Amino acid sequence: DAGVIQSPRHEVTEMGQEVTLRCKPISGHDYLFWYRQTMMRGLELLIYFNNNVPIDDSGMPEDRFSAKMPNASFSTLKIQPSEPRDSAVYFCASSRLFGETQYFGPGTRLLVL
Amino acid sequence: GQNIDQPTEMTATEGAIVQINCTYQTSGFNGLFWYQQHAGEAPTFLSYNVLDGLEEKGRFSSFLSRSKGYSYLLLKELQMKDSASYLCAVFSGNTPLVFGKGTRLSVIA
Repeated sequence: DAGVIQSPRHEVTEMGQEVTLRCKPISGHDYLFWYRQTMMRGLELLIYFNNNVPIDDSGMPEDRFSAKMPNASFSTLKIQPSEPRDSAVYFCASSRLFGETQYFGPGTRLLVL
Repeated sequence: GQNIDQPTEMTATEGAIVQINCTYQTSGFNGLFWYQQHAGEAPTFLSYNVLDGLEEKGRFSSFLSRSKGYSYLLLKELQMKDSASYLCAVFSGNTPLVFGKGTRLSVIA
């Protein structure tokens, strides 16, 4: 298996623009997680899905953030409008079952100017 | 809520042994993970402890004491490539993994 795939790997955008991050989980994994990592706050869970259904989005910072999982092999995290404080590395991870090992994608490094 | 504490930074010498501690406060503990994260890369799984005691995997070992809310990761025969951040993460109740902020380990010659 190719592992978790994320795109783009790097994104530079200007404040106010829409940003869409994409993730393909490992095939057969029922759980998908979106994280944000910064030096100050570490690795924070934003939202997670079970069988394509959002279960807990309490970590989503505000309404500017939204996530979807239209099918078992694809998820998006959208920021609209983006702000400089959104600059971070965004990771997607997947696991077969809840509480099992999570496998991380390579991350998207987002810089909002 | 959950609280996970790890030292921010550690430095050790190539060939030596280093112990990275993690303490946590949580209810309904299920298990504890250790992940390694090299600079600019994704976290990768190292170990998982559910029961008290030591789990050994090559040069890496992980220990858990559930009664004390304590774990450590032991790295033996340190190599330069072990320079990375080490993340402790706790799984409890019905909540997904909560990660500590990580310990940045520098291995020096």
